Amino acid sequence: DGGITQSPKYLFRKEGQNVTLSCEQNLNHDAMYWYRQDPGQGLRLIYYSQIVNDFQKGDIAEGYSVSREKKESFPLTVTSAQKNPTAFYLCASSLADSRGNQPQHFGDGTRLSIL
Amino acid sequence: GDSVTQMEGPVTLSEEAFLTINCTYTATGYPSLFWYVQYPGEGLQLLLKATKADDKGSNKGFEATYRKETTSFHLEKGSVQVSDSAVYFCALRVKAAGNKLTFGGGTRVLVKP
Repeated sequence: DGGITQSPKYLFRKEGQNVTLSCEQNLNHDAMYWYRQDPGQGLRLIYYSQIVNDFQKGDIAEGYSVSREKKESFPLTVTSAQKNPTAFYLCASSLADSRGNQPQHFGDGTRLSIL
Repeated sequence: GDSVTQMEGPVTLSEEAFLTINCTYTATGYPSLFWYVQYPGEGLQLLLKATKADDKGSNKGFEATYRKETTSFHLEKGSVQVSDSAVYFCALRVKAAGNKLTFGGGTRVLVKP
């Protein structure tokens, strides 16, 4: 079955440590996205990528980094510069969309907590 | 900029009650509109969408109509079930904004038997 796989489901980070969240999709989608969700709040866009080897900052990119070396993969690194990283992180993907009406498909998320 | 405003929850209903979740938006271009649903501990699932004025999206008994004149996309269901308990997000997408989704804050719905 096609879909988006995020791993791990739960992740713990020590102070000053970088951690990387994995996102893999086998939907043959061109575009991929990372969102952060805080308790009781909506989603905020961290980074997105419309094509391999290219990505753009979203609304809250500070303290995060990404890479897009393969179409299927869009890992997110939460760096030590992100002072409040505890949140639920969601990865999404969509078809290339010249008309802006393609939906995004989401993974099941990774919950990151600070030790 | 683009923004989405949803009614705050939680919304608590009895089974078989009528559900309405209000959603209004502001957009710099002509948006496509979406409703997503999030069950506890999971990611978001697309519930329905509408891409132009007066379109009605529908799925699993839920409906929403794209109202350009009132910039609204209210979600409705005639008879809710306990399994409809979830958080519902309204979202818009504008082509000129790089196909990014802008989400509302979400509305938690709790359906009691």
